[in-house]
Amino acid sequence: EADIYQTPRYLVIGTGKKITLECSQTMGHDKMYWYQQDPGMELHLIHYSYGVNSTEKGDLSSESTVSRIRTEHFPLTLESARPSHTSQYLCASTRAGGYEQYFGPGTRLTVT
Amino acid sequence: AQSVTQLDSHVSVSEGTPVLLRCNYSSSYSPSLFWYVQHPNKGLQLLLKYTSAATLVKGINGFEAEFKKSETSFHLTKPSAHMSDAAEYFCVVSESGTYKYIFGTGTRLKVLA
Repeated sequence: EADIYQTPRYLVIGTGKKITLECSQTMGHDKMYWYQQDPGMELHLIHYSYGVNSTEKGDLSSESTVSRIRTEHFPLTLESARPSHTSQYLCASTRAGGYEQYFGPGTRLTVT
Repeated sequence: AQSVTQLDSHVSVSEGTPVLLRCNYSSSYSPSLFWYVQHPNKGLQLLLKYTSAATLVKGINGFEAEFKKSETSFHLTKPSAHMSDAAEYFCVVSESGTYKYIFGTGTRLKVLA
C-alpha cells in the first residue's frame, strides 16, 4: 500500500467557513493531484502540481486553492465553504517518469 | 483527445463465476491504461496497468486485462469472483508524460452469494 495520507477523513462544517484539507506523501513523488468525486461518479481533476512551487488548475472549475511549498505536502484550501462543495476529495501522487497514480483514502466533506 | 467509456455501470455475478468489466478507450497517442478498484469510503487502489509492454497484463487479486489496439479495448477479467471483489472499478487512460488521467464513470460490481 502506498504511503499517502489525507486528513481529516470526514468533515462537516457550516457555510462560510475556511477549511484546509491536508495531503502528504512519503514517497518523494514529484507530481501530486487533487480530484473531486461525487458519490457513484467519476473523478474530476481540480488541481495538480509537477513539483515545489508549481501548481496548476485542472479541468474542473473549482473555488479552491492549493500550495506546494514542500515536495511531500499538497494542501487544498476552501476560503469560504458552500453546500455545493459537498463531495469527496481525493489526493494522488506519481513519481517522476512513472505512470500509475497512488491515491490517499480521501476526505469526505459535507457543508451544511 | 483522449476518452474512456465503461460500458456497464453495474455488473452482478455469483460468487465463483467469471467477472468481465468492459472498457473502451480513445487516444491519439500510444496510451497508458489502468484499472483501479475503490471500496466504500476508501481511496483508489491500482489493480493493473498497461504501458506498451505485454498486451496481457496480470494484476493483483487474480485480475487481468488484455490491451486490444484493433478494438480499442482494455477489458478487465477474473476467472472466479469472490465476495471481497464487490466494489467500484474505474478504467483510466493516460498519455505518457502528461498530467492528464481520464477516468471512466465506473462500474459497480456486485457479487451474489
